[in-house]
Amino acid sequence: DTGVSQDPRHKITKRGQNVTFRCDPISEHNRLYWYRQTLGQGPEFLTYFQNEAQLEKSRLLSDRFSAERPKGSFSTLEIQRTEQGDSAMYLCASSRTSGTSNSGTDTQYFGPGTRLTVL
Amino acid sequence: GNSVTQMEGPVTLSEEAFLTINCTYTATGYPSLFWYVQYPGEGLQLLLKATKADDKGSNKGFEATYRKETTSFHLEKGSVQVSDSAVYFCALISLYNQGGKLIFGQGTELSVKP
Repeated sequence: DTGVSQDPRHKITKRGQNVTFRCDPISEHNRLYWYRQTLGQGPEFLTYFQNEAQLEKSRLLSDRFSAERPKGSFSTLEIQRTEQGDSAMYLCASSRTSGTSNSGTDTQYFGPGTRLTVL
Repeated sequence: GNSVTQMEGPVTLSEEAFLTINCTYTATGYPSLFWYVQYPGEGLQLLLKATKADDKGSNKGFEATYRKETTSFHLEKGSVQVSDSAVYFCALISLYNQGGKLIFGQGTELSVKP
């Protein structure tokens, strides 16, 4: 078990550019979550997938943000036309949830995050 | 809506001191409650959890009790070590949210001095 990995760890970009982040969850974890964390704040939920289906999106996820999880394995988060307000740490987490289990008892395992700086 | 409020940091303690980090929540129904820890340069790690009222979660000498009557989940440790220096996040999952998204507090930074 290698844990959740994220790539890149750091990204510096200019305003208006597009960026894409990748998350590789723990193998056999069917749920994958994206969160965003700004300095001095706790992570905020962005979206989650169960297998390849994107089941919930936060209002924080503007039209410039899109996430995919093809084949239910790794996921990508793309931000188009980046703005300075997008600067944050983007966190990915995964969990293994059965159809009958209570989601509140499932442990989410977090990756190290991708730190985005928009100049 | 659902929310979590933590005591403001940073908290600075001497080694072997007693630690309390306060956490209160607002939620519909009875959520599951969590403490996550973020060590410098590392990702968030689950420290402990409790899924129903009066449950006590414990791990690595830390413990927290789910108090329904006060809607609280305070984190305690009897004797902190320098290696406990980190940011601690209280979080909840509402049982009405089938997706299991975590709602976090703002975090409390702990610094333990030798």
